[in-house]
Amino acid sequence: AQSVTQLDSQVPVFEEAPVELRCNYSSSVSVYLFWYVQYPNQGLQLLLKYLSGSTLVKGINGFEAEFNKSQTSFHLRKPSVHISDTAEYFCAVSDRSGGGADGLTFGKGTHLIIQP
Amino acid sequence: KAGVTQTPRYLIKTRGQQVTLSCSPISGHRSVSWYQQTPGQGLQFLFEYFSETQRNKGNFPGRFSGRQFSNSRSEMNVSTLELGDSALYLCASSFGRSGYEQYFGPGTRLTVT
Repeated sequence: AQSVTQLDSQVPVFEEAPVELRCNYSSSVSVYLFWYVQYPNQGLQLLLKYLSGSTLVKGINGFEAEFNKSQTSFHLRKPSVHISDTAEYFCAVSDRSGGGADGLTFGKGTHLIIQP
Repeated sequence: KAGVTQTPRYLIKTRGQQVTLSCSPISGHRSVSWYQQTPGQGLQFLFEYFSETQRNKGNFPGRFSGRQFSNSRSEMNVSTLELGDSALYLCASSFGRSGYEQYFGPGTRLTVT
């Protein structure tokens, strides 16, 4: 079984400042890693994913994340945020060995608040 | 390409009733997964269907069930509704196995009174 910890439930940041949303996972097997974003009254949109290869992955809207196997982390970063980035961000993992049949395990989410 | 669609978007039911939610995946996607989202428990995996077969189920009571049709459309049913079933129910589809990459619909907001 896996678990995901998003260390910050809420992160306030000034517009145009950089931001890092932290995610740590626990798993006894190899995993795939994902970041999703949820805007109010909407479903989840995939920001980026790590399946294999380079540990630095780039996603949509200028976001990137780095997979660190030794620290079991997958932190999300953006060098300069905009008001439109205000949303809930979810880190998720799935079991690589199970072929994905177990679905995604999500963290509790981090509410990113952009202040003008 | 059209995204994942879910109907209805909003639903109000009374305790003890049953409800059926519908999900149409992205064209060509064969896997459909369902998730429940609540403020207290967050996002929790309900079950996944691939080629009309349920491959896995999360830790939910038997009141929660689902099925998938030959065109990959899926339905989720909750019987004997309880107040705690009030939640946003999200459907997600993927081309192959669901663990690789899932695309989510807008969800159905279920309120049980």
